Amino acid sequence: KAGVTQTPRYLIKTRGQQVTLSCSPISGHRSVSWYQQTPGQGLQFLFEYFSETQRNKGNFPGRFSGRQFSNSRSEMNVSTLELGDSALYLCASSTGLFTLGGYTFGSGTRLTVV
Amino acid sequence: DQQVKQNSPSLSVQEGRISILNCDYTNSMFDYFLWYKKYPAEGPTFLISISSIKDKNEDGRFTVFLNKSAKHLSLHIVPSQPGDSAVYFCAARGTSGNTPLVFGKGTRLSVIA
Repeated sequence: KAGVTQTPRYLIKTRGQQVTLSCSPISGHRSVSWYQQTPGQGLQFLFEYFSETQRNKGNFPGRFSGRQFSNSRSEMNVSTLELGDSALYLCASSTGLFTLGGYTFGSGTRLTVV
Repeated sequence: DQQVKQNSPSLSVQEGRISILNCDYTNSMFDYFLWYKKYPAEGPTFLISISSIKDKNEDGRFTVFLNKSAKHLSLHIVPSQPGDSAVYFCAARGTSGNTPLVFGKGTRLSVIA
């Protein structure tokens, strides 16, 4: 069974540009969540999607947005990139909004903004 | 406001001894708690969970204890092995209502052979 796939694995962008990250959940999983990990800050919650609807949103500026498609794949977009957006972006999937055992994470996309 | 706190950024333990990782939470709506382990360049991996209706859950070498009155949980690893060296994240969520999974900042465990 394939795991959660995130593409690309690594990305270098220039300040002011925009970026789109992709996440393919485990087959059959309908919930996708996104997290930002930076040194010393742990995993900060970005969004949670279920059945193409955003169910929860973290405390991030409007430059961060996301969406989920009918096949449960999800994308997140960051516009007008800032140096502080450099981070590991993690996607996690689960069968539903609340699942015992938690989420299955992908390996992440490492975004570097220069 | 940090709703899930792991106050020890790092911990070193001798192989074969017990590792105890601590976590505190502030949101009284949290009633489901999880521990994840993370190796460099990989996503976090689910380790063990506990519901607020229990105060202990065991899975092999891993035991999680929950003290609801103190809003505190701990992960015990016995015996500790070098392969346990990783960053451990505590996470929590409320199951009634629509709340996301909230993570602590993590504790880096080093098991020394």
